[in-house]
Order: sequence, then C-alpha cells, then structure tokens
Amino acid sequence: DAKTTQPPSMDCAEGRAANLPCNHSTISGNEYVYWYRQIHSQGPQYIIHGLKNNETNEMASLIITEDRKSSTLILPHATLRDTAVYYCIVRVANMNNNAGNMLTFGGGTRLMVKP
Amino acid sequence: NAGVMQNPRHLVRRRGQEARLRCSPMKGHSHVYWYRQLPEEGLKFMVYLQKENIIDESGMPKERFSAEFPKEGPSILRIQQVVRGDSAAYFCASSPRTGGEQYFGPGTRLTVT
Repeated sequence: DAKTTQPPSMDCAEGRAANLPCNHSTISGNEYVYWYRQIHSQGPQYIIHGLKNNETNEMASLIITEDRKSSTLILPHATLRDTAVYYCIVRVANMNNNAGNMLTFGGGTRLMVKP
Repeated sequence: NAGVMQNPRHLVRRRGQEARLRCSPMKGHSHVYWYRQLPEEGLKFMVYLQKENIIDESGMPKERFSAEFPKEGPSILRIQQVVRGDSAAYFCASSPRTGGEQYFGPGTRLTVT
C-alpha cells in the first residue's frame, strides 16, 4: 500500500471547519483513501473513504485532488468531541484478493479543537 | 445493531501466564482483524481471519501468539507465556466483506506484571 504523509498536529477553533490534509503521491489506481480517527485510546472509528470522487457523509467530507496525490478531510463544524488523532490510510480494496486487506496506520494528525 | 464487542476490557496477567482476548464481530460480519497498539505507538496489524480460516497472519509474532475464529462463537487471540513487552491495547475490527471498511471494538488493555 502507498504511504501517506500528514502533519503531526493541528489546532481548530470550536465551530469552525477543520481541514486535515494528507499527501499520498505514490497512490495506485486501485487504491482507496480511508480516514479513521482515534479518540483518546478508544478503538479507531471509521469516518469516510473514497476512490477519486469527492465524498460526503454525516460525519465529514473527503476532497480528493484530480491527480489523486493528495486529499483533505473536512469536518464542517468542529466540536470539542472531535479532538482526536486522525489517520489517512491508502488501501487496496480488491474484492478478489484476500491478502493485504489490513489497514496500515501511520502517525496521523493530532487535532485539538479549542473553545 | 450492536457494534464490535471485546472482552475483557482490561486484563492483568503475571509473566508466564496465558492471556485470552475475545472479539465478537458485528452481526453479519464474517471478517475479523486483530491489531495491537503498544504504548505511545500506532496500531499494527496482526492477523486477518474469516470463519474457520486464517487468511493473513503476516503481523503475528512467530511464537506464543495464535488466533482463531471458529464457526460458532467469538474470535480468540491467545498469548501464551506473556512477557512485559506484550502489555498493550489489542483491538479487533470486523468487516462485512473482503476489502470492506473495518469497524473497531473498544479494545482490550493487557497489562503484564
């Protein structure tokens, strides 16, 4: 799986949008971009994933550049409960390939939402 | 729909004892993954199982560690003769299909004294 690069930490004011960047310049055509977060030693929480189109769900939006070499996770109105480590993960999702389906976690971005 | 369940949530073992960690996947999920998070480190993949089969154990230590996912019942991660370096949080995740998104349980925190 391709490697990702994220800033180690970011701050965001409560109520404002949090924009978390991720670089994945070696991503392959069959690799998806996944985002998870881990709140204070809890189990990681799935947020969103995408291949090449922008995606939105009730938690966040995912913006993927046209060349797919980078992406941004957007939390539109950050709250104090969004303080967590956010992980950007690139992963092959080949339904016919049982091997290599694990998630490879890097260092992530520690997002601190401040009042 | 209950999420992924893990028990116990906290487990204390003395050096040399055995640790058994259990994971019940979400309803309808037949794919289970185990990850380990050492103190102040990121999560590392250990093993991927489907019902009655180990699919990928490339992240498992070569000795003392084993995993199973029987036809009936939870998945079990077993650590024999625990050492202090095994102290960590062990997370289980389940997925409804190969390559699908993974949903994590709350973890089991193992402390070896």
